[in-house]
Amino acid sequence: AQKVTQAQTEISVVEKEDVTLDCVYETRDTTYYLFWYKQPPSGELVFLIRRNSFDEQNEISGRYSWNFQKSTSSFNFTITASQVVDSAVYFCALKSGGFKTIFGAGTRLFVKA
Amino acid sequence: DTAVSQTPKYLVTQMGNDKSIKCEQNLGHDTMYWYKQDSKKFLKIMFSYNNKELIINETVPNRFSPKSPDKAHLNLHINSLELGDSAVYFCASSQDPTFSYEQYFGPGTRLTVT
Repeated sequence: AQKVTQAQTEISVVEKEDVTLDCVYETRDTTYYLFWYKQPPSGELVFLIRRNSFDEQNEISGRYSWNFQKSTSSFNFTITASQVVDSAVYFCALKSGGFKTIFGAGTRLFVKA
Repeated sequence: DTAVSQTPKYLVTQMGNDKSIKCEQNLGHDTMYWYKQDSKKFLKIMFSYNNKELIINETVPNRFSPKSPDKAHLNLHINSLELGDSAVYFCASSQDPTFSYEQYFGPGTRLTVT
């Protein structure tokens, strides 16, 4: 069975702090994809990144970076020098075999000015 | 130009009524989805259509019925609304249903049943 665990329910940081959002996944498939989505207070869900199981290279996009480690089944997301606009709920998701995407429960990030 | 649009954005109705939510995507995608997000933000897939064919049909009450007149549209009809149906409903689309493609979400429809 597939599962995504985001153990951090809420995180609160002060602007300019770095913050890491954890994501641990479970799947028996060797081919799978992992995703991160952002849901700001306005409510829409925004795609951030996709990573396939054969590509363990870390990725950096501006202040965002992602660390994928198959050995620990983790796909963590770090925001460097956080800003108030980063305040949102962040979802990690897994797609492996079949058509369903399994979402984690989300981590709510508060960035205070 | 809005990629995935939903109407209405807000829907307030009484128990027992029947209501519909409409979704349209202009991305040329083959696959569309309906998700329910509860008050704790948990996202759960309800249905998915690929080229007008139902490919995901999760365990939801049969009061919920999706309909896809063409691959750019996926509507959700709900009969005999109950208090527990109050949630935000998101429509999404992806290029195809295989696992490599990310989904693009609509703005959501906040349904409140009183």
